[in-house]
Formats: sequence, C-alpha cells, structure tokens
Amino acid sequence: DTAVSQTPKYLVTQMGNDKSIKCEQNLGHDTMYWYKQDSKKFLKIMFSYNNKELIINETVPNRFSPKSPDKAHLNLHINSLELGDSAVYFCASSHFGTTSTDTQYFGPGTRLTVL
Amino acid sequence: GESVGLHLPTLSVQEGDNSIINCAYSNSASDYFIWYKQESGKGPQFIIDIRSNMDKRQGQRVTVLLNKTVKHLSLQIAATQPGDSAVYFCAENKRTSGSRLTFGEGTQLTVNP
Repeated sequence: DTAVSQTPKYLVTQMGNDKSIKCEQNLGHDTMYWYKQDSKKFLKIMFSYNNKELIINETVPNRFSPKSPDKAHLNLHINSLELGDSAVYFCASSHFGTTSTDTQYFGPGTRLTVL
Repeated sequence: GESVGLHLPTLSVQEGDNSIINCAYSNSASDYFIWYKQESGKGPQFIIDIRSNMDKRQGQRVTVLLNKTVKHLSLQIAATQPGDSAVYFCAENKRTSGSRLTFGEGTQLTVNP
C-alpha cells in the first residue's frame, strides 16, 4: 500500500524518559512534516523537512529533535518527556512546490501518553 | 444542517440531509485552502481543495465555497451518510516556501440514522 506509516501507534511512558516516533512514506514525496494534535483536536505544525533539510521549525521546545535520514523517513525524538507532551503526533508528506497547492497526506498518528 | 460561527464545534444532521460546515480563515495572503476529514483514531484525510482564484469547486457529494471578501470557507456535503461522521478541518496555506498548513479548530459532524 502506498501511504504514510508511523510507529508505534501507541506510546505510554513515564515523565523524564526519552522516546522516538518513526515515520516513513512511500509516496515519492520530498517533504515531510510533524504535527501535534492536542486533546481539543487542534492540529499544529511542528517541523517540516524537504530533502532532509529542515525548512519549518515552529516554536517547539528543544527537547523535540526531528531527524531525517533520507527523504522517505522523518523521525521525532523527544527527550525528558513531560506531562504536557501527551498528544497525538501525526506525520505527513507532500511534494514541495512553490505553488503551495501540494496536498499533504497524513499518517495514522501516534498517541503519546506521558504518566 | 449548518454549523454557524467560528466556535460551534459540533454539527448533528439526519441521514440524507445536506450538511454545511463553515470555517473562517485569518490570513488574506493565503492562496490555497483544503478540507480534511478525520475519523476517530485515524489521521486527517484529504477531501477537497480550492485555490484563491476560484470561488467554488465540486467533488463527489462535496462542494467547497470560498468567499475571499469575508475570508470564509464552507464545505457542503450532499445526502449526508453515517460514514460521513467525523471531525472536519479546514486548512489554509500561506505564501511561504514550503507547505505551511494552518488548521482551523475542526467541526465534529454526527450523522443520525
């Protein structure tokens, strides 16, 4: 199946731990994103990478560090997890275009619960 | 059924009725708008998009209307079905490099049989 996939789907961990979420897309896109969705369903972009280069970096604590080993993968590492990090994290991908009409396709999400 | 205003997060309609979901956007420089559908436990799924040089676009059972004068976007779903029950988001794309989507708060659509 052509899609954006994320692992794990659920992640439950203790405060202070370090965890990673992985994302892969086989759509041939060159741009990937991380979004955070809070308990009120509000979706906010965190990061965007184009061809392994960081192009969007919103105001996110530096405990969050994205890593793109190649243009088909974008992982999110979170250090020293806090209660407020509990949310659903979505990966997305698209073609990069100056016309701004390049549809973003989303993964199924990773529900992170920090205890 | 129709959602009104910016802050009504839910819309309940009867199966077979038409649904109208409204959205206001903030940036007059936005030139591309998208509607996404998010079912419970899943990621947002693209429904339909529209560029700022258009005021209407139709898809299968869905129509998006864009009113740039008042910065308003609406999604019309014809003959709403139970499978349409989901949270619907509008998103706008600003004219910056790359694709920086800004999402609205979402509307929960519930279709009653």
